[in-house]
Amino acid sequence: GAGVSQSPSNKVTEKGKDVELRCDPISGHTALYWYRQSLGQGLEFLIYFQGNSAPDKSGLPSDRFSAERTGGSVSTLTIQRTQQEDSAVYLCASSLSAGTGVTRGEQFFGPGTRLTVL
Amino acid sequence: AQKVTQAQTEISVVEKEDVTLDCVYETRDTTYYLFWYKQPPSGELVFLIRRNSFDEQNEISGRYSWNFQKSTSSFNFTITASQVVDSAVYFCALREGGGADGLTFGKGTHLIIQP
Repeated sequence: GAGVSQSPSNKVTEKGKDVELRCDPISGHTALYWYRQSLGQGLEFLIYFQGNSAPDKSGLPSDRFSAERTGGSVSTLTIQRTQQEDSAVYLCASSLSAGTGVTRGEQFFGPGTRLTVL
Repeated sequence: AQKVTQAQTEISVVEKEDVTLDCVYETRDTTYYLFWYKQPPSGELVFLIRRNSFDEQNEISGRYSWNFQKSTSSFNFTITASQVVDSAVYFCALREGGGADGLTFGKGTHLIIQP
């Protein structure tokens, strides 16, 4: 079956503009995660969704970052008033469930969106 | 707070040599999960293995093996008879049992297999 897909694959924007990054998880996966990968910071966890709810938003770098998920499927990560330090690869992952216990599933990653802020 | 340390930034070996990638973790939780991911030049993170904190059995999958030792908080990864296709960045990651479900990643080890 299809894996996690992300769009666009590359995005170049000017400082101060807003951008939207999209993630389409594996069908049937209820949990969805956003990460950021940059040279300076490595791989950072941003936020996760169980269904349409995001229980913990503390990983978002600033209030310019927001994310939503509708219908328990597609998620959008929005960055407002982009800054040059936002340049990074934004990775999305999904898993069967984020629930407790031994059945917590491994996360499968998409190809990422490379964001460049000029 | 949890932390994952991969002290080896880059390792270069000749094909067919064995190589071990080190991973040391810190957590206060008694229940946690450890992972290894591979990131080839194409960029996509590929899941390799998950280990639960209550299962210290070592695991072997083909040329790959993992050594989990709670006493030293380590979860090392060995590739036997390395191949050029094993060249990639390898990440060790931790997820605590009671916290948010995001993974805490190490900085990664860039493995170069020379022909």
